[in-house]
Amino acid sequence: DTAVSQTPKYLVTQMGNDKSIKCEQNLGHDTMYWYKQDSKKFLKIMFSYNNKELIINETVPNRFSPKSPDKAHLNLHINSLELGDSAVYFCASSPARTYGYTFGSGTRLTVV
Amino acid sequence: RKEVEQDPGPFNVPEGATVAFNCTYSNSASQSFFWYRQDCRKEPKLLMSVYSSGNEDGRFTAQLNRASQYISLLIRDSKLSDSATYLCVVNKVNRDDKIIFGKGTRLHILP
Repeated sequence: DTAVSQTPKYLVTQMGNDKSIKCEQNLGHDTMYWYKQDSKKFLKIMFSYNNKELIINETVPNRFSPKSPDKAHLNLHINSLELGDSAVYFCASSPARTYGYTFGSGTRLTVV
Repeated sequence: RKEVEQDPGPFNVPEGATVAFNCTYSNSASQSFFWYRQDCRKEPKLLMSVYSSGNEDGRFTAQLNRASQYISLLIRDSKLSDSATYLCVVNKVNRDDKIIFGKGTRLHILP
């Protein structure tokens, strides 16, 4: 009965690989997000979807591509992984953009 | 001026003491304000929303000062379990309508 679940929890991969992180929420929320938390613990928004529609697309390399097949799912695909992509990626959802978020437990990505 | 600014700490506070953090924001059009807590290697969790009239939840009190553009969090009778990083979050209302996280204030409650 996890509210926001993301998989995998840990991901170790080599530079140049392509990988995906999946996120699902069962809260009935309309808005979902991807955040990146770097080694300095700073949380920065990457993307936001509202009802499957992209509404926020921050300055993120186009190697990162979100996909929302329905409003309960928001996946993140990363091409040609680089060392600097190592971070914790959090998925989150909220009932509306001015409400607080519920976060997933994070995916710790390590690129070697 | 940074969009959302917090003292990174750490604040080392004895158990039972009262501790307060402030967070300043730069965009006067901001509308929604929150405090989150994040434990080590865990996801942020919503602690409380911050309303214009101020609000209280048990030992926690949040205040908003729109004139000076800051929000505050007060923790009374602090417990060891309050040790965490506290993130100030501001909803910057514009076309993008995105939420800005502060870098957080680390709190250590000492036995």
